[in-house]
Amino acid sequence: GEDVEQSLFLSVREGDSSVINCTYTDSSSTYLYWYKQEPGAGLQLLTYIFSNMDMKQDQRLTVLLNKKDKHLSLRIADTQTGDSAIYFCAESIVGNQGGKLIFGQGTELSVKP
Amino acid sequence: KAGVTQTPRYLIKTRGQQVTLSCSPISGHRSVSWYQQTPGQGLQFLFEYFSETQRNKGNFPGRFSGRQFSNSRSEMNVSTLELGDSALYLCASSPRSPRISYEQYFGPGTRLTVT
Repeated sequence: GEDVEQSLFLSVREGDSSVINCTYTDSSSTYLYWYKQEPGAGLQLLTYIFSNMDMKQDQRLTVLLNKKDKHLSLRIADTQTGDSAIYFCAESIVGNQGGKLIFGQGTELSVKP
Repeated sequence: KAGVTQTPRYLIKTRGQQVTLSCSPISGHRSVSWYQQTPGQGLQFLFEYFSETQRNKGNFPGRFSGRQFSNSRSEMNVSTLELGDSALYLCASSPRSPRISYEQYFGPGTRLTVT
């Protein structure tokens, strides 16, 4: 089946680390993605990880992938108030003809000063 | 490089009308996908186009259709609008074939309100 699950809310203090978790179901997914959406805006691609990797680091962002448990996480170091947004996890489903992204419900990150 | 552009940004229509939304992908990108975002259903895939061909379609009624032009620009059309079609419609473009990598870059969306 195609399903991606995320917790809905996360609240942290400025300067702390934030960890957003995601589980997915399709074991054939080759790439997994994290997107950020600010109010009234589209989706901004933050980072992605290939399924044969365990970890990817990109400045303040660290993605961890546990393929056995189908668990993906996004860690934001030194979280700032500007990081307040909704974060979406997505897996790519690729078939013979084309592909699509399956998104989680989104995790609303609130950063308190 | 300019990002994905979508027009119009906001639209108000009445039930029963039809609407056409437009998307211009990032220069050089040949794949365009459309997604519908609502508070209740979240982000749902509508369709994907590559080289003017629809390659994948989501689980939406036939009232939703789309096309892609030779310059990769895409339009989607919704006929006989229903109240439930009120949503943010997002267009995304991708530089590569899905079999290589499928990162998609999204536009700001078109907010459609059906009254």
